[in-house]
Formats: sequence, C-alpha cells, structure tokens
Amino acid sequence: AQSVTQLDSQVPVFEEAPVELRCNYSSSVSVYLFWYVQYPNQGLQLLLKYLSGSTLVKGINGFEAEFNKSQTSFHLRKPSVHISDTAEYFCAVSEAGTYKYIFGTGTRLKVLA
Amino acid sequence: DGGITQSPKYLFRKEGQNVTLSCEQNLNHDAMYWYRQDPGQGLRLIYYSQIVNDFQKGDIAEGYSVSREKKESFPLTVTSAQKNPTAFYLCASREAVPMPQHFGDGTRLSIL
Repeated sequence: AQSVTQLDSQVPVFEEAPVELRCNYSSSVSVYLFWYVQYPNQGLQLLLKYLSGSTLVKGINGFEAEFNKSQTSFHLRKPSVHISDTAEYFCAVSEAGTYKYIFGTGTRLKVLA
Repeated sequence: DGGITQSPKYLFRKEGQNVTLSCEQNLNHDAMYWYRQDPGQGLRLIYYSQIVNDFQKGDIAEGYSVSREKKESFPLTVTSAQKNPTAFYLCASREAVPMPQHFGDGTRLSIL
C-alpha cells in the first residue's frame, strides 16, 4: 500500500543555516512527488514537484528536492533559511494511474534568530 | 486571478446540526477534493470528484456528504452523524493527472 513518512515532526534551525526535511515513501509503481508549505490558518502552497526527468528539482523560495528511486526518498533542502521560512511542510505522493494523493504528517520548521 | 475560494473561514456547529462548507474554483479544473486536517495527522481524504455529477468516498467519508452539480462547485456537508467534526477543512482542485493540487485557504469548524 502507498504511504508517506516524514520522520521529523519538528525541525529547529538557526537563520542562514542549511536545512533538510526528510520524506520517504512506499510504492511499487511509478510515483509523482510534491512538497507543499502551509502557513498558519492557510491552505497548502506548492513548493515544487517531480513528475519525470531530472531527479533534482528546483522550486520556489530557494528550495530544492532530489528524487532518489532506490532509497524511495524525496528530501527537501534549502542552503540558507530565513525567518519567513517558518511554517509546516508536507510531502505528498501520487501513484501513476490513480487520482489520490497521499500526504505525510508534516514537518514543522522553526527558524531561530 | 484564478483560484479556490472556501467559505466561511470559521464555522461553529451546534449538536445535532448539519453544516455546509462551500468550495468554489475558477480554474476550470475537472477534479476536486475535500480533506480534513487534524494536528499531527496530515491531510486525510474525505471525498473526491473527477467530473460533474460523480464523486467517490475517500478514507474518512463517514458523517460527511458532498454534491457536484456544477464544475466550479463542490460543497461539503458535515452531518450530525460526524461525532468529532472539529478540524480544519481544505478543498483542492487539480487539472489533469498527475498535476499538483491547488488548495483553498480552508474552513475551521468548531463545536459550540
């Protein structure tokens, strides 16, 4: 069965430091992968997506992610975070041939001054 | 600007009452979704619809109902059978598979 795991529920990091938010999925078929960001009391905003092609995907706000098929991972990275990056981040997976999207439980990123 | 509009932003339900959450999109998307978000649990799928007059149950459909009479609209009714309705509800739409979903800003439902 398809599932998404975000092992880190909270990640504190100092401003201007790099950050990596981890996402692992389980699936036996081709997948499409997404990262979203959610600010308090708002909906989800797409950061980046992997549909096919290059495994290194660049998104908005300086974020990037790398699709690793052998490790079934899609970790999100940013080389230097800002206070404004404080938010909750969700990884999502959709399997080829389905209409459903499976979301991880989210990682709360807190950027410290 | 195209987008998804959810209303109201905050909603309160009395015991035994049905309430309806509105979701309207002007993105011309065929597919629409309703999710429930609880702290620490991510998003759970309630219902989804691929086309007008057709919809399917998601993982937690009990106590909820939907309709899809127009492409632009996908209202969700939280019925009195839903015993724990307090949550943040998100509506989303999608163009063709496998494009990402677009989300509204949510409705927060609480019990009076």
